Amino acid sequence: DQQVKQNSPSLSVQEGRISILNCDYTNSMFDYFLWYKKYPAEGPTFLISISSIKDKNEDGRFTVFLNKSAKHLSLHIVPSQPGDSAVYFCAAHLGHTGNQFYFGTGTSLTVIP
Amino acid sequence: DSGVTQTPKHLITATGQRVTLRCSPRSGDLSVYWYQQSLDQGLQFLIQYYNGEERAKGNILERFSAQQFPDLHSELNLSSLELGDSALYFCASSVAANEKLFFGSGTQLSVL
Repeated sequence: DQQVKQNSPSLSVQEGRISILNCDYTNSMFDYFLWYKKYPAEGPTFLISISSIKDKNEDGRFTVFLNKSAKHLSLHIVPSQPGDSAVYFCAAHLGHTGNQFYFGTGTSLTVIP
Repeated sequence: DSGVTQTPKHLITATGQRVTLRCSPRSGDLSVYWYQQSLDQGLQFLIQYYNGEERAKGNILERFSAQQFPDLHSELNLSSLELGDSALYFCASSVAANEKLFFGSGTQLSVL
């Protein structure tokens, strides 16, 4: 049962434009959400997070939006840069049954120069 | 560099064999997580340890086991290996059980 879903396996964006990566989840008990970025031959690295009590968190070029009623979050990257080309994983934390992080299947972002 | 060290980076073995993957967490991190990433799959949670004790279990097969030692390093043991066990295995650590994870670079396991 995939509790966190990223329905777009890949995304291509022109340099300088906005990249929007989407993530849907099913469990309303998740208490915070994270985005990780992964380059080939490396482990995922933390990018940005958002608590379930907020609807937006911003860090430089990266903004995460949370819509709890729709059980949807998105990551906006503005402006996109070629170095942003990577696989992006959405993750959700569930604390009340033992701390677990559930990950989506990832979206491969390609930023075209 | 995340500070999480995984060894070996690559492992090639045959079906039926047993292997051990090792993870050293970041200095000061008490919590260790193991994840499996198969082709075109997300990161599947296997198991979590906190300060030597098992805290949470995911979709870990009975053929797999793990432990966290007093020095906080962790080992994931995979036995009676099957072709389908070929995957990238990640270890992650965090300072507390509900803090964000820092990942190692993974161990690529190939079962032939």
